Amino acid sequence: NAGVTQTPKFQVLKTGQSMTLQCAQDMNHEYMSWYRQDPGMGLRLIHYSVGAGITDQGEVPNGYNVSRSTTEDFPLRLLSAAPSQTSVYFCASSYLSAGDTGELFFGEGSRLTVL
Amino acid sequence: AQKITQTQPGMFVQEKEAVTLDCTYDTSDQSYGLFWYKQPSSGEMIFLIYQGSYDEQNATEGRYSLNFQKARKSANLVISASQLGDSAMYFCAMSHMNTGFQKLVFGTGTRLLVSP
Repeated sequence: NAGVTQTPKFQVLKTGQSMTLQCAQDMNHEYMSWYRQDPGMGLRLIHYSVGAGITDQGEVPNGYNVSRSTTEDFPLRLLSAAPSQTSVYFCASSYLSAGDTGELFFGEGSRLTVL
Repeated sequence: AQKITQTQPGMFVQEKEAVTLDCTYDTSDQSYGLFWYKQPSSGEMIFLIYQGSYDEQNATEGRYSLNFQKARKSANLVISASQLGDSAMYFCAMSHMNTGFQKLVFGTGTRLLVSP
């Protein structure tokens, strides 16, 4: 049972480069999201999706794009990387069922460094 | 606005003792959920415990319990009989029915160190 899988786990970029962080889940979760974790700031929501074709912004969306073409996949795109985007990125998914607690299942994280 | 405050950057406890990690929250909503997650040095986020705002009893999961004081807007995590493997970062988080229970707002975390 793979759960939530993120790739790559580590990436170094130069300022201005683009890249995509991949996220896939095999639990048939409707809800998927991306968080970034910075020292002393906890986790902050970047973008989220409640189903295929539906995405919305979280707390810190600037500089990131997402799309949700399938239930399983939710890639995060950095179009022009900046040093301020150096962070650890977590993908998380959950059911949307009524009455569910909303417990998030997290991937292992992707550490991104922008030089 | 929703906000989670964890005022303890670091906590120390001896093995087999109990420890309380503080969490206060700010919300004007009546329906919300409170979570605690553990993040060991390996980096993954591990769900520990959940408390709904309408739950009258404190949530418990094995050695973890959530001391929920609604009037004081606090949701402290109590770990009984600490183990060396409990050394990790601990995050308190909150969600709201109005914005979707899955949209968690996290605190800044408390680093717990368990000594032999």
